[in-house]
Amino acid sequence: AQSVAQPEDQVNVAEGNPLTVKCTYSVSGNPYLFWYVQYPNRGLQFLLKYITGDNLVKGSYGFEAEFNKSQTSFHLKKPSALVSDSALYFCAVRAPTDSWGKLQFGAGTQVVVTP
Amino acid sequence: SQTIHQWPATLVQPVGSPLSLECTVEGTSNPNLYWYRQAAGRGLQLLFYSVGIGQISSEVPQNLSASRPQDRQFILSSKKLLLSDSGFYLCAWSSGISSYEQYFGPGTRLTVT
Repeated sequence: AQSVAQPEDQVNVAEGNPLTVKCTYSVSGNPYLFWYVQYPNRGLQFLLKYITGDNLVKGSYGFEAEFNKSQTSFHLKKPSALVSDSALYFCAVRAPTDSWGKLQFGAGTQVVVTP
Repeated sequence: SQTIHQWPATLVQPVGSPLSLECTVEGTSNPNLYWYRQAAGRGLQLLFYSVGIGQISSEVPQNLSASRPQDRQFILSSKKLLLSDSGFYLCAWSSGISSYEQYFGPGTRLTVT
């Protein structure tokens, strides 16, 4: 069975500084990996995905993530954080053998960007 | 473009009352559909998923049930609510053809009193 770990409950960063949200995964085979963002009392918004190809994937709102197979990681990054990036971020993994499209989500990381 | 709707947005129900939450998807056909619950805190728990009309799979035993009466309609129900059913319920869909990412609805906040 697949699993996802987000080791930080909360990440604090000053506006303008780089933002990194960590994610590690465990899955049999080559994983499909995803990042989502959730604002209070809203649904999850899809940010980006890694399916195959280039290890660095770019997504919405200036976010990017790097797939590292040897470290089984898929960290989310943004070069310059904005106050509006304050939200709850989820990493998710799907096993390539899962034909139902089920995702396993991490516990989430709260990002707080201070002015 | 595709859109996903959920209603109601908020709901306060007494213990023992029935429940019906509805989710509909527009702009696609034969989607995979999913119901999640997000308890206070943050974790997402997959409750049910469906890959076609009348086909429902349950991830965890519970007080809830799901149905898919139409291709793009997914309903979450309960005959008698428990306090522990409180939470934020999210519906999601993915393409049945190249089902990679899921797209989420706005959610329903359920408070059982």
